[in-house]
Amino acid sequence: AQSVTQLGSHVSVSEGALVLLRCNYSSSVPPYLFWYVQYPNQGLQLLLKYTSAATLVKGINGFEAEFKKSETSFHLTKPSAHMSDAAEYFCAVIKNTGNQFYFGTGTSLTVIP
Amino acid sequence: GAGVSQTPSNKVTEKGKYVELRCDPISGHTALYWYRQSLGQGPEFLIYFQGTGAADDSGLPNDRFFAVRPEGSVSTLKIQRTERGDSAVYLCASSPDRGFAETQYFGPGTRLLVL
Repeated sequence: AQSVTQLGSHVSVSEGALVLLRCNYSSSVPPYLFWYVQYPNQGLQLLLKYTSAATLVKGINGFEAEFKKSETSFHLTKPSAHMSDAAEYFCAVIKNTGNQFYFGTGTSLTVIP
Repeated sequence: GAGVSQTPSNKVTEKGKYVELRCDPISGHTALYWYRQSLGQGPEFLIYFQGTGAADDSGLPNDRFFAVRPEGSVSTLKIQRTERGDSAVYLCASSPDRGFAETQYFGPGTRLLVL
């Protein structure tokens, strides 16, 4: 079975501080991993995805994530938080026999001015 | 171009009633997905269409839930004899399905409240 675990349902950072949102996956085969962001009253928007190419993946809005097989992790980072980054962030993995996502429970990011 | 659209944006119904939720995917996208997102949770997979056929409906919780995509474009999720536990945001996504792990583009969702 494949799933993802997001540690920390709520994360608060100061504006300009480092953003680190954690995601660990469980998989018996190399996974395909995604980070999506959900702004209030909007649909999920893709931030970035890992599909077994480069382990450091750069996404939109200055976010990036590093695939670490030894740690089964795919943490999302951004060097400097902006107020507009406040949203819900979801890590997801593709089921290896289909195309449906398995999502984590989400992390709500608050940016403090 | 236009993104995935879903109608209605909000639906309030009474327990036991029948509801239909509509999804208009991005033009040309052959794959369409339905997910359900309960409060405080991540989206949960319901069903996946490839063209007109349901390629995987393993996520449908029971036989009260049914979805169709008769012409390979618009899809309708149908819920019979609604229950309060069906209250959630129902998300639709589409992808060009050129291969494995294609990016899915999500609509804004339909918020269903069953009283």
